[in-house]
Amino acid sequence: DAKTTQPNSMESNEEEPVHLPCNHSTISGTDYIHWYRQLPSQGPEYVIHGLTSNVNNRMASLAIAEDRKSSTLILHRATLRDAAVYYCILRDINDYKLSFGAGTTVTVRA
Amino acid sequence: EPEVTQTPSHQVTQMGQEVILRCVPISNHLYFYWYRQILGQKVEFLVSFYNNEISEKSEIFDDQFSVERPDGSNFTLKIRSTKLEDSAMYFCASSAIAGGLNEQFFGPGTRLTVL
Repeated sequence: DAKTTQPNSMESNEEEPVHLPCNHSTISGTDYIHWYRQLPSQGPEYVIHGLTSNVNNRMASLAIAEDRKSSTLILHRATLRDAAVYYCILRDINDYKLSFGAGTTVTVRA
Repeated sequence: EPEVTQTPSHQVTQMGQEVILRCVPISNHLYFYWYRQILGQKVEFLVSFYNNEISEKSEIFDDQFSVERPDGSNFTLKIRSTKLEDSAMYFCASSAIAGGLNEQFFGPGTRLTVL
């Protein structure tokens, strides 16, 4: 499985943007970049995914570097409910599974 | 909004006993998955299931584990003879399509405690 590297933790203030980096220098041409999050005591939850272009949805934005070796998940206005572990996952187009790493634990201060 | 449901929320069993964890995937989804998360550790893939067959499984998914879709709605994970190290949260997930394009929808999990 292709590897990703994320910081262990990040802190943010409520209503401020959060930028979560992810390095994936060994990404292949058929790997999609997925982000999931896991709120305390819950199952993982899909956030966003992309291949080459930046992506936006109601939850977040995904900025993908031109060489695809890194990406950034952007939470535009953090709320207390966004406190969770965020996972950056590479997934081949033909891959059934999600391979979770340790993720980044995001703490949001009121 | 449709969601994946799992029962029971918490299962306590004695070592060596069989357990069946149940999941109801989202109704129009075709791909089903089980993952587990030992306390304090990362989420680990166990198995994926499509068209009544296992499509991929991990090294964790040994002969003690089996999956089944007994009817049109349920998806089950059976552990034949539980061990202490099987204690974990077990998450079921489903998706409409396979591969890198899809999003997987996860259930709330079943906490399995083996005594």
